[in-house]
Amino acid sequence: AQKVTQAQTEISVVEKEDVTLDCVYETRDTTYYLFWYKQPPSGELVFLIRRNSFDEQNEISGRYSWNFQKSTSSFNFTITASQVVDSAVYFCALSDEQTGANNLFFGTGTRLTVIP
Amino acid sequence: DTGVSQDPRHKITKRGQNVTFRCDPISEHNRLYWYRQTLGQGPEFLTYFQNEAQLEKSRLLSDRFSAERPKGSFSTLEIQRTEQGDSAMYLCASSLTGTKTYEQYFGPGTRLTVT
Repeated sequence: AQKVTQAQTEISVVEKEDVTLDCVYETRDTTYYLFWYKQPPSGELVFLIRRNSFDEQNEISGRYSWNFQKSTSSFNFTITASQVVDSAVYFCALSDEQTGANNLFFGTGTRLTVIP
Repeated sequence: DTGVSQDPRHKITKRGQNVTFRCDPISEHNRLYWYRQTLGQGPEFLTYFQNEAQLEKSRLLSDRFSAERPKGSFSTLEIQRTEQGDSAMYLCASSLTGTKTYEQYFGPGTRLTVT
């Protein structure tokens, strides 16, 4: 069965520090998609990135970067020079044939607190 | 650009009552999803529609739950005979088909409290 593990329940960093959020996944499928979502205190999940299993290129978007490594089944997310507005719960999610390929299977999330 | 909207944002009800939530997706999105999120957990998939057709249901969706999307636009989720275990945030999301299928955009959720 598929599984998404976010071992870090809570992380606190001081503003301007870099922080990496870990995500380890399990799936039997060769075709799958990985996602990161941000859930700020307002509650609305915000889509950050989608990566498919055939594309292992790392991606950078501003202060955000993602490191996808199939060899370790990991899809880690790094925030550079963190800001208070980055404080939120971050979810890693998986979609594969077992999930029905049309819905997302979420991890339990990592709560990030950025201290000014 | 209008995002996904949900109504109401909060609902408090007594055990045994029926409740109905509404979701309005992004206008050009033909797929609509319902998820449930309990405290400290990630969202769990409940069901999804493509246009007006309900194509998949999770086993989490007991027979007390029913969802509709009658004209392929807005959707409603009804819970009959609510139980305290139904207390959760109910999230709606929408997406396009095609290459953007997997990018789901979420609404703000409806927080249900069953007393």
